[in-house]
Amino acid sequence: DAGVTQSPTHLIKTRGQQVTLRCSPKSGHDTVSWYQQALGQGPQFIFQYYEEEERQRGNFPDRFSGHQFPNYSSELNVNALLLGDSALYLCASSLFGEGGRTEAFFGQGTRLTVV
Amino acid sequence: SQQGEEDPQALSIQEGENATMNCSYKTSINNLQWYRQNSGRGLVHLILIRSNEREKHSGRLRVTLDTSKKSSSLLITASRAADTASYFCATDAMNRDDKNIFGKGTRLHILP
Repeated sequence: DAGVTQSPTHLIKTRGQQVTLRCSPKSGHDTVSWYQQALGQGPQFIFQYYEEEERQRGNFPDRFSGHQFPNYSSELNVNALLLGDSALYLCASSLFGEGGRTEAFFGQGTRLTVV
Repeated sequence: SQQGEEDPQALSIQEGENATMNCSYKTSINNLQWYRQNSGRGLVHLILIRSNEREKHSGRLRVTLDTSKKSSSLLITASRAADTASYFCATDAMNRDDKNIFGKGTRLHILP
């Protein structure tokens, strides 16, 4: 049973470009959340997708957008990249059930460097 | 609002000692989760405690939850070098408008 997989693992982009990161959730999970983690900081919540819709969103500009597909996989898109977008991007999946969501399983992340 | 604030920010102890870290949160929750992160990698789920539970054990880990104080603690007994990592708490809030936010974590360093 594969856990959460993210691709690519590393990425270097130029300021102003656009980037798409991908995430496949753990088998049986229906909810995908995306986080940005700067060096030395905790993960910052970007948004969460459930039933192909954005359900919750953190304090990130509209340059950050996403999508969830019928198979529950998800993409994170960032437009007009800034140097400050350089970070580890983490995807987490969970299952929505009685009593709230289950624990989240995280992928290994995509290390994005903007130059 | 910041949910999940870990304390202390950093902790260094000798191998074999117990390590305790704390987490405070602000709103009503369904459950609270603790995670470990080794340097620059994904987070690993350690333990989930539901709002109607007060204490939970998993191996060398012991988690307590006090919903009246909106706080939780993670105790690692008989620490090992491999326990060196950052530890984060996160909550599944009852109010769906509350974001699942991690604090900056507690950086635990086990000294040989």
